[in-house]
Amino acid sequence: GAVVSQHPSWVICKSGTSVKIECRSLDFQATTMFWYRQFPKQSLMLMATSNEGSKATYEQGVEKDKFLINHASLTLSTLTVTSAHPEDSSFYICSARGGHGVQAFFGQGTRLTVV
Amino acid sequence: GDSVTQMEGPVTLSEEAFLTINCTYTATGYPSLFWYVQYPGEGLQLLLKATKADDKGSNKGFEATYRKETTSFHLEKGSVQVSDSAVYFCALERGGADGLTFGKGTHLIIQP
Repeated sequence: GAVVSQHPSWVICKSGTSVKIECRSLDFQATTMFWYRQFPKQSLMLMATSNEGSKATYEQGVEKDKFLINHASLTLSTLTVTSAHPEDSSFYICSARGGHGVQAFFGQGTRLTVV
Repeated sequence: GDSVTQMEGPVTLSEEAFLTINCTYTATGYPSLFWYVQYPGEGLQLLLKATKADDKGSNKGFEATYRKETTSFHLEKGSVQVSDSAVYFCALERGGADGLTFGKGTHLIIQP
């Protein structure tokens, strides 16, 4: 299957700093990318949907000024957690889709710990 | 809103046992239904899917049938192996451009 690479796989940062997570589709063009967040023993919750060249659409309750999403090219989307706090510690997962109705592929996820 | 409910884990079975992981959903319209698997240290992988009522998805010995009347999509396998140990997620998608709605995941442990 297609490959989606997410980097870094884990990161520890100090409270108040910003962290950028990258999601790349390695062998296909991703017209749509999705960002999810997973708390321990909870389901993946969709945070936002981004289409290449457009502003991301955020789910209700997700702060768009805190979780900045950029999808500037067909192979790269980034999620920046700004002014991170301990409650932002979580597992973040991206997925990428090559077109409407096409299967989405998932990255390995990023474990963020804010201390 | 949409929701997916799946049985809590962990589920522990012996090798060659029969597996059922229950999944029910709530959604308007006619969603597509999926089972994803996450092996330790890896990303989610699509295991199987069904896009309309009475469809049966199957892969690697796993099966699930889309039952609209009971809003269910239970995952089954006749004889599990140690290598099937993983976390299994049931999910639905309402439209091709939408993200997925996931259940909480079921941790499956298969003992030799």
